[in-house]
Amino acid sequence: AQSVTQLGSHVSVSEGALVLLRCNYSSSVPPYLFWYVQYPNQGLQLLLKYTSAATLVKGINGFEAEFKKSETSFHLTKPSAHMSDAAEYFCAVSERGAQKLVFGQGTRLTINP
Amino acid sequence: GAVVSQHPSRVICKSGTSVKIECRSLDFQATTMFWYRQFPKQSLMLMATSNEGSKATYEQGVEKDKFLINHASLTLSTLTVTSAHPEDSSFYICSARERTSGAETQYFGPGTRLLVL
Repeated sequence: AQSVTQLGSHVSVSEGALVLLRCNYSSSVPPYLFWYVQYPNQGLQLLLKYTSAATLVKGINGFEAEFKKSETSFHLTKPSAHMSDAAEYFCAVSERGAQKLVFGQGTRLTINP
Repeated sequence: GAVVSQHPSRVICKSGTSVKIECRSLDFQATTMFWYRQFPKQSLMLMATSNEGSKATYEQGVEKDKFLINHASLTLSTLTVTSAHPEDSSFYICSARERTSGAETQYFGPGTRLLVL
């Protein structure tokens, strides 16, 4: 069965600092991997996705994530945090051919001025 | 592209009444739509998967007679919470998978906040 673990339910960084949100997955087959962002009282917005092409995936708002099969990880990074990045971030995995997404517990990102 | 809308965005109802939430894919055809429930400060919990023209598949522990799902067209799915009770108060989010998508990408609606008094 698939599962996703996001290390750290809450991450706090200073404005301009590096953002690193961790995600590890468990899947018996090569997965599809996703990062979504959720602002308060809103739905989820797709940041980026890994679909077996390049292992370094670039997304919107300056975010990127690297698929590392050996580490079963798909960590999300952004070189310089902006106040508008404050939100909840969800990592998700699905198996190819499967319909369901399995979500991690979420990481709340806080940006300090 | 890939915009999903939900209506209403917020609803308050009395205990015992039924509430219908609509989910529409605005600029693409969605063969599959999903309904999630999210409690405060928690992740999304998949309630059911609905495929156009067929019965929804409910996750374990979700009462299908209480949460009625209809997916009558490639752009519309509805969730009806029947005989709502205060414990049904939650944030309900739908998503839609694009028909031509090869990467299982789900696009999410903005959510509906339900408060049952």
